[in-house]
Amino acid sequence: EPEVTQTPSHQVTQMGQEVILRCVPISNHLYFYWYRQILGQKVEFLVSFYNNEISEKSEIFDDQFSVERPDGSNFTLKIRSTKLEDSAMYFCATGDRENQPQHFGDGTRLSIL
Amino acid sequence: RKEVEQDPGPFNVPEGATVAFNCTYSNSASQSFFWYRQDCRKEPKLLMSVYSSGNEDGRFTAQLNRASQYISLLIRDSKLSDSATYLCVVNPNTGGFKTIFGAGTRLFVKA
Repeated sequence: EPEVTQTPSHQVTQMGQEVILRCVPISNHLYFYWYRQILGQKVEFLVSFYNNEISEKSEIFDDQFSVERPDGSNFTLKIRSTKLEDSAMYFCATGDRENQPQHFGDGTRLSIL
Repeated sequence: RKEVEQDPGPFNVPEGATVAFNCTYSNSASQSFFWYRQDCRKEPKLLMSVYSSGNEDGRFTAQLNRASQYISLLIRDSKLSDSATYLCVVNPNTGGFKTIFGAGTRLFVKA
């Protein structure tokens, strides 16, 4: 079964540093999403991306966050100046149609020191 | 009112029991509804989509009541492997493919 692949599986970074989380979507999928889950809390929507632009973003997705699909395959989430509260599991998800089930990658655990 | 609200749980049931989870959503324009399961420290995995007419997949039955803005999941003949957190997921139809997850209901199935 096709998979969404995320790298790295675990990222440890000093506060204030930039991080880039990477996702390789399932090949025929056109809708891309990032979520975060703080330990013990619920999955929170960050952003959706379609046709090479952001479709919708949440209040969490402020100016320190950005997404892009630089080479037509990888889908990346960049956090410009990390804060302690950015420590969480970040999940990428992709879908082949609007508002249809999404397939999740196994996540990147981001630890900010 | 929260956008998506679920029974707080946890539910502790013996093997073979029937268990039901409830979920309500606030946006009446919401169009798509799903149940996912999440094992500890793992990614959410789709359990089933929820259709207006109700749908069944083996031991699992999902129901949608649009008038009451309510979704349910019924698990019959619980197995130990059903132990997980069950997530109610809604697309609120705000125009940009936003997806809202409930906080989840934890299920423990015991032998």
